[in-house]
Amino acid sequence: QQQVKQSPQSLIVQKGGIPIINCAYENTAFDYFPWYQQFPGKGPALLIAIRPDVSEKKEGRFTISFNKSAKQFSLHIMDSQPGDSATYFCAASPNTDKLIFGTGTRLQVFP
Amino acid sequence: DAGITQSPRHKVTETGTPVTLRCHQTENHRYMYWYRQDPGHGLRLIHYSYGVKDTDKGEVSDGYSVSRSKTEDFLLTLESATSSQTSVYFCAISPRGFMGTDTQYFGPGTRLTVL
Repeated sequence: QQQVKQSPQSLIVQKGGIPIINCAYENTAFDYFPWYQQFPGKGPALLIAIRPDVSEKKEGRFTISFNKSAKQFSLHIMDSQPGDSATYFCAASPNTDKLIFGTGTRLQVFP
Repeated sequence: DAGITQSPRHKVTETGTPVTLRCHQTENHRYMYWYRQDPGHGLRLIHYSYGVKDTDKGEVSDGYSVSRSKTEDFLLTLESATSSQTSVYFCAISPRGFMGTDTQYFGPGTRLTVL
């Protein structure tokens, strides 16, 4: 019930493509859903986050789509660039104290 | 890295030895966290602190202890290191947990190898 399942494990797209990363959860008490981006040798950094009172949030080329009834949320990267190549983690918060992370998706964007 | 430092950044040790990792913040944030990152497992919470001397366990706390005697410092101790504790360890901080738009800020990580 505390898990967050993330897919795919890895993703390869061409520049300009729209990679989509999906996450699913079980616990309906989760109320905060962030995405983190991590470059090699660095700590993760917040990319974008959503709360369940909205179904979509967009920041620049990054969009979260949230489906409360299906208990799923996804990250879309519009017009992907080689600089977007990184590992992406979804997460969910069961309370205000901590996050449960997905297992990560390694994205490679080729020129 | 949002005013967070971790020390040491790299450490190689032997099975059975004690190891202490330090996280230091200059942001005066209330919450501090220790995670480990392993391939195929993502980030897993070890312990966290919601104030000085206030700590709680995460999902993988066995074999680890923590202490927070000052707002700015959060120590992670492996009492007797095992090879299964070879990992990259990240510290994170948060002003108020995940209320409103608050989020976590991660440190640069410590790579620990237990031989």
